[in-house]
Amino acid sequence: DAMVIQNPRYQVTQFGKPVTLSCSQTLNHNVMYWYQQKSSQAPKLLFHYYDKDFNNEADTPDNFQSRRPNTSFCFLDIRSPGLGDAAMYLCATSRGGTSGTYEQYFGPGTRLTVT
Amino acid sequence: GDSVTQMEGPVTLSEEAFLTINCTYTATGYPSLFWYVQYPGEGLQLLLKATKADDKGSNKGFEATYRKETTSFHLEKGSVQVSDSAVYFCALSTERDDKIIFGKGTRLHILP
Repeated sequence: DAMVIQNPRYQVTQFGKPVTLSCSQTLNHNVMYWYQQKSSQAPKLLFHYYDKDFNNEADTPDNFQSRRPNTSFCFLDIRSPGLGDAAMYLCATSRGGTSGTYEQYFGPGTRLTVT
Repeated sequence: GDSVTQMEGPVTLSEEAFLTINCTYTATGYPSLFWYVQYPGEGLQLLLKATKADDKGSNKGFEATYRKETTSFHLEKGSVQVSDSAVYFCALSTERDDKIIFGKGTRLHILP
């Protein structure tokens, strides 16, 4: 089945120690997204790639970076995690395009704990 | 700007009860509308969608109708089950970009 895969499902890192979360997709979608979701809140968009074009949200901290080396993979790098960065990180994909009717498909998420 | 407002939770119902979760939106142009469901510890799953006025989306016994005149997309189910316990997000996307705007989510608890 075509899908969005996130690894690892659970990640524990230390305060200030860089961490990378990964996402892969078999849907061959043009757009890949990274969201941060804290408890009992809606997902918050951090950034997205349309193909290789990177689109950062204005309020995304510089501490968060992303890489998309090819269509299938996208990475979220947190350079110096703080306690406030503990959250669920969700990757999503969509076909993209200006029609705006393309739904997003989400991975299962990575739960990040910062100690 | 574009926005989605949905009823606050938690909503607690007994099994086999009728469910309505209200959702209204503000958007210019002609948005597509979605309901996503999130089970504990998991990512979001697309439950249903509607892309134009008067469309009805349906899946797993859930339904929602795109009402342009009332700018609403209320989620309904005739008989809920314990397994429907989850958080439900109403959302929209527009022609302007590739982003989805989410409501704040409604937590649903179904009691056996």
